[in-house]
Amino acid sequence: GAVVSQHPSWVICKSGTSVKIECRSLDFQATTMFWYRQFPKQSLMLMATSNEGSKATYEQGVEKDKFLINHASLTLSTLTVTSAHPEDSSFYICSALKTGLTYEQYFGPGTRLTVT
Amino acid sequence: AQSVTQLDSQVPVFEEAPVELRCNYSSSVSVYLFWYVQYPNQGLQLLLKYLSGSTLVESINGFEAEFNKSQTSFHLRKPSVHISDTAEYFCAVSESGGYNKLIFGAGTRLAVHP
Repeated sequence: GAVVSQHPSWVICKSGTSVKIECRSLDFQATTMFWYRQFPKQSLMLMATSNEGSKATYEQGVEKDKFLINHASLTLSTLTVTSAHPEDSSFYICSALKTGLTYEQYFGPGTRLTVT
Repeated sequence: AQSVTQLDSQVPVFEEAPVELRCNYSSSVSVYLFWYVQYPNQGLQLLLKYLSGSTLVESINGFEAEFNKSQTSFHLRKPSVHISDTAEYFCAVSESGGYNKLIFGAGTRLAVHP
């Protein structure tokens, strides 16, 4: 199988602080990881594509200075929400691309961020 | 630009009844198509996918989907649902040949009642 974990699963932070979310591929290496945001009862919206050893590619409308992505190893990508505000409260989901005979994205369980 | 439309936000159905969850896509290039399932408080899991070849694809738990290029559709079907199928189902598309960005539909909430 292919397992992707996220940590923490749930975090509450105060407005103006920063919070880091980790995404790990536990049993495979992933050159490429993706970060999505999911609003309540809505679909996943791709925020950025994270490539190991290089800068992330952000989707249009996503503030790269606010959502810092670091993909420092083949099994770990981090998303840091800087100077968080209540409107940043959301469900953040990562996925890791497993390559080989087939290409498939494996999704983490998500991180619920609440900014008070 | 690619887009995915899931026509039904919610589908209530009784146990053992058949169900169809509709998905239409828009793309100017060849695509890969996917159905993902999200159970409460869990991450997305791949249910089935169409990459090439046979237009009818099946999952291990009885779901199937058929790629219809002329109608740009990839509807998901199951002849007899179980309570445990209650979940959110997402249709997604990516540009073939790349397999990078997944564009998701808004999701369909399948609620199976006893």
